[in-house]
Amino acid sequence: AQSVTQPDIHITVSEGASLELRCNYSYGATPYLFWYVQSPGQGLQLLLKYFSGDTLVQGIKGFEAEFKRSQSSFNLRKPSVHWSDAAEYFCAVGRGSTLGRLYFGRGTQLTVWP
Amino acid sequence: DAGITQSPRHKVTETGTPVTLRCHQTENHRYMYWYRQDPGHGLRLIHYSYGVKDTDKGEVSDGYSVSRSKTEDFLLTLESATSSQTSVYFCAISDSGGAGGRTEAFFGQGTRLTVV
Repeated sequence: AQSVTQPDIHITVSEGASLELRCNYSYGATPYLFWYVQSPGQGLQLLLKYFSGDTLVQGIKGFEAEFKRSQSSFNLRKPSVHWSDAAEYFCAVGRGSTLGRLYFGRGTQLTVWP
Repeated sequence: DAGITQSPRHKVTETGTPVTLRCHQTENHRYMYWYRQDPGHGLRLIHYSYGVKDTDKGEVSDGYSVSRSKTEDFLLTLESATSSQTSVYFCAISDSGGAGGRTEAFFGQGTRLTVV
């Protein structure tokens, strides 16, 4: 069965520090992978996506993610966190050819200390 | 923001009553989806639609039905609301795109439903 694991429920970092949010997936076929961000009371905004090709993908707001097939991982990184990055982050795997049928991880809540 | 409007944004209802949530899009996207978000579970797919009058079940479809009579509208109905259906409900849209391309999912702002 397909699944997405985000092992860290809550992460706290200081502003200016680097960030890495972990995501592991279980999926039989070549996955479509996504990271979404959700601010309080808001919907989900796409940060970046991986379909194929270069395994290091760049997204919005200075985020990047690296697809590692051997580790079934798609970790999200940012070299220097800003206070406005505080939010909940969701990793998702697309199922089938329609990119809205998604398996989501449980989310990682990011707190940023000033 | 993608043109997705969910209504109502907040609703409190009593156990056993029917409830309908509406999702309206102005993007003319082919696919529409309903998700629910619960703490510790992320988002889970309830139902989705791949065209007018074409719908299918997601992973948590029990107790829910959907209808899509127009491209722009996708309705989610709780026939008899239960407390376990207290949740935040998100609508999403995606498209098949042109020349074989596909678009990723865009999400609405959500509807917070409380069943008392």
